[in-house]
Amino acid sequence: AQKVTQAQTEISVVEKEDVTLDCVYETRDTTYYLFWYKQPPSGELVFLIRRNSFDEQNEISGRYSWNFQKSTSSFNFTITASQVVDSAVYFCALLTQGGSEKLVFGKGTKLTVNP
Amino acid sequence: EPEVTQTPSHQVTQMGQEVILRCVPISNHLYFYWYRQILGQKVEFLVSFYNNEISEKSEIFDDQFSVERPDGSNFTLKIRSTKLEDSAMYFCASSGLAGVGWAKNIQYFGAGTRLSVL
Repeated sequence: AQKVTQAQTEISVVEKEDVTLDCVYETRDTTYYLFWYKQPPSGELVFLIRRNSFDEQNEISGRYSWNFQKSTSSFNFTITASQVVDSAVYFCALLTQGGSEKLVFGKGTKLTVNP
Repeated sequence: EPEVTQTPSHQVTQMGQEVILRCVPISNHLYFYWYRQILGQKVEFLVSFYNNEISEKSEIFDDQFSVERPDGSNFTLKIRSTKLEDSAMYFCASSGLAGVGWAKNIQYFGAGTRLSVL
C-alpha cells in the first residue's frame, strides 16, 4: 500500500527564516512520482513540483528547493528566506506508475510565516 | 494560463437532498478526477474518469455518488442523497494532454467547492 507521512503538523517561522518541510513515503513500486502542492488560505491546490523515482537530482526553483533521497524514502521541501506569502498548507503526494491514477496525499503541514 | 474551473464555490444543502458539483477541466486534458477534503484533514481520492468511463474509484465513492461528462467541457459529481458526513471541500482535477503521454501524471486542481450539509 502507498502512504505519505508529513510528521510536522504546523510550523511557524519569522520572515526571512529558512524552513524545511518533511515528507516520507512508502511504496513497493519501483516506479513512482512524488509531488508537492500548496494550499493557500483561499483554498485551491497549486501544483509546485513533480519528481520521478529515477531522478534523485535535487531541484531548485527560486527560493524553493527539493531534496529527494530514495535511501530514506524522503522528499523534503525547503523554502529559503521565507515570506508572508508562503503561508499555506503544503501537501506532499505520491503517484505510482501502475494502473492507478490516484494521488495519495499526506496530511499536510501548515506553514505560518510571521512578519 | 489554462485552469480547472469549479462551480459553485460554496453549496449549502439539506440532508437527503441531491447536489451536483460542476467542473470544467483544462481543455485537451484526457483524465478527470474528484477528490475531497474534510475540514482539517488530508485530501482523499474519490474517482478517476477516462474515455467516458470510471477508471478507478475509492471505497468512499459508493452508490450515492456518480460522475458524468455530459458534453465536451463539463465534468460533474452528483451526490444522490447527501449526508452530514458529506460536508467537505470537493476538488476536481484534470491531467493528460492528448498526445503527450508522460504529462498525464501532473494533476491540476480547481479551487474547490465547499459543500455544507445541514
